[in-house]
Amino acid sequence: GQSLEQPSEVTAVEGAIVQINCTYQTSGFYGLSWYQQHDGGAPTFLSYNALDGLEETGRFSSFLSRSDSYGYLLLQELQMKDSASYFCATNQGGKLIFGQGTELSVKP
Amino acid sequence: NAGVTQTPKFRVLKTGQSMTLLCAQDMNHEYMYWYRQDPGMGLRLIHYSVGEGTTAKGEVPDGYNVSRLKKQNFLLGLESAAPSQTSVYFCASSYQRAGYNEQFFGPGTRLTVL
Repeated sequence: GQSLEQPSEVTAVEGAIVQINCTYQTSGFYGLSWYQQHDGGAPTFLSYNALDGLEETGRFSSFLSRSDSYGYLLLQELQMKDSASYFCATNQGGKLIFGQGTELSVKP
Repeated sequence: NAGVTQTPKFRVLKTGQSMTLLCAQDMNHEYMYWYRQDPGMGLRLIHYSVGEGTTAKGEVPDGYNVSRLKKQNFLLGLESAAPSQTSVYFCASSYQRAGYNEQFFGPGTRLTVL
């Protein structure tokens, strides 16, 4: 079967660093993506890892370890606007299979 | 460019009624997708298309049909709506690219089946 596990909720304070983990069990793995969704709006793409290691895009970084079937999204210098749901997703032959999402609450 | 648009934005149906949701994209993407999202849940793939005239089943295809007669449009049909189909429906599109798959999502259609 195919499954992705991520924490349901994470809380952090403004200016802090937070890490959202994702473990997966899939077949035909091509890479791990991360998406952000504000208040039920349209999900938007954040990052993609096809190979092991860290990818950095501004305040956001994403990490992948294929041998551990594990990845994480790292958000630095948290801002109130980062309060949203974050989804990891595995790429499988043109399809995305999503985790259930992590709701991040950023407190002042 | 409008990106990905969805019609309608909201709809209320009675059990047994039918309807069609329209998705349109102006980015010349080969791939298009229909997802549903239920409260506190991730996105579940209903059907997808890898090109004009093609469709394939996703994770939760039962009760839905799709058509991709034109490259820019992807239609999702509910032949006989059920309360279990109350959900938010998202359409997405992407380029055909081996491995990498950044999807662009529409704003969603909020469907309630009474």
